Amino acid sequence: GALVYQYPRRTICKSGTSMRMECQAVGFQATSVAWYRQSPQKTFELIALSTVNSAIKYEQNFTQEKFPISHPNLSFSSMTVLNAYLEDRGLYLCGARDFRGSDYTFGSGTRLLVI
Amino acid sequence: GQQVQQSPASLVLQEGENAELQCNFSTSLNSMQWFYQRPEGSLVSLFYNPSGTKQSGRLTSTTVIKERRSSLHISSSQITDSGTYLCAMETGGYKVVFGSGTRLLVSP
Repeated sequence: GALVYQYPRRTICKSGTSMRMECQAVGFQATSVAWYRQSPQKTFELIALSTVNSAIKYEQNFTQEKFPISHPNLSFSSMTVLNAYLEDRGLYLCGARDFRGSDYTFGSGTRLLVI
Repeated sequence: GQQVQQSPASLVLQEGENAELQCNFSTSLNSMQWFYQRPEGSLVSLFYNPSGTKQSGRLTSTTVIKERRSSLHISSSQITDSGTYLCAMETGGYKVVFGSGTRLLVSP
């Protein structure tokens, strides 16, 4: 079956530092990868959508300068939270699907705490 | 504006009662997924339901595209059904947008 491994599961970083999270797709080709953030007491917000061989599209309020994403092949994607501050804390989720464009498979999330 | 309106925001039931969760969309949708969010945050996919009705055990999902709505019905609720349920729609731009969630509490 299709699986997405996301790591780390939890991480703590000091205010002003950066942290990187990764997603590995197993059992299918991750043609599209979407990254989300769930801030405390809120729903998931789309940060950006990455499709292989296309430019990464960032949503309003999210920028490549703050959340650089790498999607080098059909099984891997990473996102970095640069210069993290309190408002960046939350659960970050990656979802991926193949070229057939059916349902997304989501990772288990990376919970970021900023201190 | 918000593309996905999910209701109710919270719901309290007694064990054995049925629950009906709704999502309404302001734009046309390509597909629908329903998720259960575990307390630690990870998502359990309940249904991928672009249209029509699907059933899995006590759960039933119905999506009516022309009416821009989808529902999740939980019959004979159990205490273990407590948690947050999320709908997610895929728009024409291939983006998946989440609803705000329904926090369900089933009490004995």
